[in-house]
Amino acid sequence: GAGVSQSPSNKVTEKGKDVELRCDPISGHTALYWYRQSLGQGLEFLIYFQGNSAPDKSGLPSDRFSAERTGGSVSTLTIQRTQQEDSAVYLCASSLTPGGYEQYFGPGTRLTVT
Amino acid sequence: QQQVKQSPQSLIVQKGGISIINCAYENTAFDYFPWYQQFPGKGPALLIAIRPDVSEKKEGRFTISFNKSAKQFSLHIMDSQPGDSATYFCAASVTGNQFYFGTGTSLTVIP
Repeated sequence: GAGVSQSPSNKVTEKGKDVELRCDPISGHTALYWYRQSLGQGLEFLIYFQGNSAPDKSGLPSDRFSAERTGGSVSTLTIQRTQQEDSAVYLCASSLTPGGYEQYFGPGTRLTVT
Repeated sequence: QQQVKQSPQSLIVQKGGISIINCAYENTAFDYFPWYQQFPGKGPALLIAIRPDVSEKKEGRFTISFNKSAKQFSLHIMDSQPGDSATYFCAASVTGNQFYFGTGTSLTVIP
């Protein structure tokens, strides 16, 4: 069984460009989470999905960040007009059910904004 | 505001020794306290977790001690091995929908 996959694994972009990060959760997992991990820091919660809906978007750092999930599966995190402070590792996790507690993480996407 | 405070930031232990990492929280609504292990270039992996209705949970060499009244919990790694060298994160959750993570502890086990 495949785990959570994320793409790309690394992304270098120029300041001001838009980027899309993709997450493929474990098949059948209905809950999906996005986190940001800055160098030497813990994980910062961004957003979670129950199916295709996101009950709580308060963790998104600014209106430049958005996320969507389609078909209860793949999710995309979009960052518009990237800034240098957006540089971080973006992690995705999934769990079997909303409130399922046990999260399985992907390997992350390392974003570098130059 | 850091919902979960973790210490120490880094830890060096001799092989065979006991590694202890501590976390503290304020929100009494938290009902799930997991520990994650992360190796460089990898995502965190769930190591062990506890709910507030028990004071201790052991899985192999890993033990969580939970003190509800003090709002603290800790991870003990017995007989630490070089392969345990990694970053460890504690976390807390309410209803399993939103997780709050500590800032991590970098553990180095010296052979």
